[in-house]
Amino acid sequence: EAGVVQSPRYKIIEKKQPVAFWCNPISGHNTLYWYRQNLGQGPELLIRYENEEAVDDSQLPKDRFSAERLKGVDSTLKIQPAELGDSAVYLCASSLQGPTYEQYFGPGTRLTVT
Amino acid sequence: KNEVEQSPQNLTAQEGEFITINCSYSVGISALHWLQQHPGGGIVSLFMLSSGKKKHGRLIATINIQEKHSSLHITASHPRDSAVYICAPTSYNTDKLIFGTGTRLQVFP
Repeated sequence: EAGVVQSPRYKIIEKKQPVAFWCNPISGHNTLYWYRQNLGQGPELLIRYENEEAVDDSQLPKDRFSAERLKGVDSTLKIQPAELGDSAVYLCASSLQGPTYEQYFGPGTRLTVT
Repeated sequence: KNEVEQSPQNLTAQEGEFITINCSYSVGISALHWLQQHPGGGIVSLFMLSSGKKKHGRLIATINIQEKHSSLHITASHPRDSAVYICAPTSYNTDKLIFGTGTRLQVFP
């Protein structure tokens, strides 16, 4: 069974440019999470989807970040415009049905903003 | 005080040694995850438990809900076990994972 797939794995952009990350969760997993992990720190939840509904986006900086999960499967996370402080690893995870189920993490996208 | 405390922060072991990593938390939880992260790598879920004990290969995880404490044990440690181990309970109130600061383990041959 394929795990959580993310692309790209690495991205380098200049500040003020837009960037998008893509995530394909494990087949059949209703819950999808986007996390941001800064160097040397634990992941921080940005947004959680139950199917296509964003049920927790309280930590998503909505002035520049947006996310969507059309049809309740794949998801994209966008930053526009990117700032230097956005440099981090962006992790996608999925679980079968809600946060009481085990979360499976993707390999992450390492973003560098110059 | 952090809601999740792990000890030790750093751990060095010789191959074959028995390893214990401890996790204490102060919030109400619905479950607790142990995660593994290799340098520059993604996060792998090792265990999710809400009571008792689970075993997978050389790894054992235990949790004591009353004492708000969990342990991760590695038997017969191997250099490939070198990684950061993260305790992450799921908050009962917010349904969010609360990530511990991690324990960096290095196992030498």
